[in-house]
Amino acid sequence: DGGITQSPKYLFRKEGQNVTLSCEQNLNHDAMYWYRQDPGQGLRLIYYSQIVNDFQKGDIAEGYSVSREKKESFPLTVTSAQKNPTAFYLCASSPRPSTEAFFGQGTRLTVV
Amino acid sequence: AQSVTQPDIHITVSEGASLELRCNYSYGATPYLFWYVQSPGQGLQLLLKYFSGDTLVQGIKGFEAEFKRSQSSFNLRKPSVHWSDAAEYFCAVGASDSWGKLQFGAGTQVVVTP
Repeated sequence: DGGITQSPKYLFRKEGQNVTLSCEQNLNHDAMYWYRQDPGQGLRLIYYSQIVNDFQKGDIAEGYSVSREKKESFPLTVTSAQKNPTAFYLCASSPRPSTEAFFGQGTRLTVV
Repeated sequence: AQSVTQPDIHITVSEGASLELRCNYSYGATPYLFWYVQSPGQGLQLLLKYFSGDTLVQGIKGFEAEFKRSQSSFNLRKPSVHWSDAAEYFCAVGASDSWGKLQFGAGTQVVVTP
């Protein structure tokens, strides 16, 4: 079945450590996105990529980094510079401009 | 800049009753509008979308939404809710060149009582 796979579902890290969240899609979509979700704040865009080897910052990119070496993959690294990294992270993709985004099941990151 | 407001943080509705969730947007041109639903700990599922044409759009699970340009609104409705409709609902707005880069509202939590 086609879809977006995020792994792991739950992730625990110690403060000060970098951590990488995986996102893979087999929908052949050009664009991929990372959103962060906090209670009562909806979703906020971290980074997005419209094509391989290119990506742009979203609204809250500070403390995060991404890469897009393959069309299917868009990993997100939460660095130690991110002040409050505990959140629910959602990856999404879309096939072309002006279309809806399709979401993965999310990764809940807890930093202790 | 785009923005989305969902005025109701939390709504409680009885099973079998009707449901309406409000969404107001701010956008200079014709927006692309979406409603998504999220169950606890899960990703988002698209309920319906509006790009152009008929202002009353039908979605999955018996939901519909009406685009009202004069009121900058895109309210979601369901005539008779089921217990399985308990979830969080998000309204989102995109632009014609946004490539799925969406601006989301804060969400409305729906609780369904017996």
